[in-house]
Amino acid sequence: TQLLEQSPQFLSIQEGENLTVYCNSSSVFSSLQWYRQEPGEGPVLLVTVVTGGEVKKLKRLTFQFGDARKDSSLHITAAQPGDTGLYLCAGSSNTGKLIFGQGTTLQVKP
Amino acid sequence: GAGVSQSPRYKVAKRGQDVALRCDPISGHVSLFWYQQALGQGPEFLTYFQNEAQLDKSGLPSDRFFAERPEGSVSTLKIQRTQQEDSAVYLCASSLATTPNSGNTIYFGEGSWLTVV
Repeated sequence: TQLLEQSPQFLSIQEGENLTVYCNSSSVFSSLQWYRQEPGEGPVLLVTVVTGGEVKKLKRLTFQFGDARKDSSLHITAAQPGDTGLYLCAGSSNTGKLIFGQGTTLQVKP
Repeated sequence: GAGVSQSPRYKVAKRGQDVALRCDPISGHVSLFWYQQALGQGPEFLTYFQNEAQLDKSGLPSDRFFAERPEGSVSTLKIQRTQQEDSAVYLCASSLATTPNSGNTIYFGEGSWLTVV
């Protein structure tokens, strides 16, 4: 069974601080995606990483895919209150099914 | 439509009642997924359709759960004899192709919030 472990589960920080969320698995995934979900909404795709060692940047967000394609990280620089939400990593199996981590609830206080 | 549409958005059911949740995927999308999400947790896979074919139903928690997509477009998730543990958000998602690589994004609906009392 493919599982994704996300850490930390909860994070409460002050505006301007940096943070990193980790997503780890013992399985190899063909691709890994990061989503952000706000209350009452569905998850919205932030990025897809496909190649081992890949780094992608989206404004203040930096995403890394591990060399072995088993783990990933999301780093946010100078967090803003608008970054508050549930961050989800999801691995893509060969059948196209997405397997999600437990999620990281981020609260950024002004 | 422009996005994945789900209805009803909110449903309160009495224990033992049957419910039906509808999903309208993005037009032309081949793949359709149903997920179940508890509050503050990641979505858990329920079932997957490619056109009208249900290719994977391994995540359906019991035989009270049934999903269909008879014409390869709209899908319905039916839950019979609802129990309190069925209370969750039910998310539908669709994608143009079968594998969510960088060219084939999975788009989620806003979810149907089910509360069983």
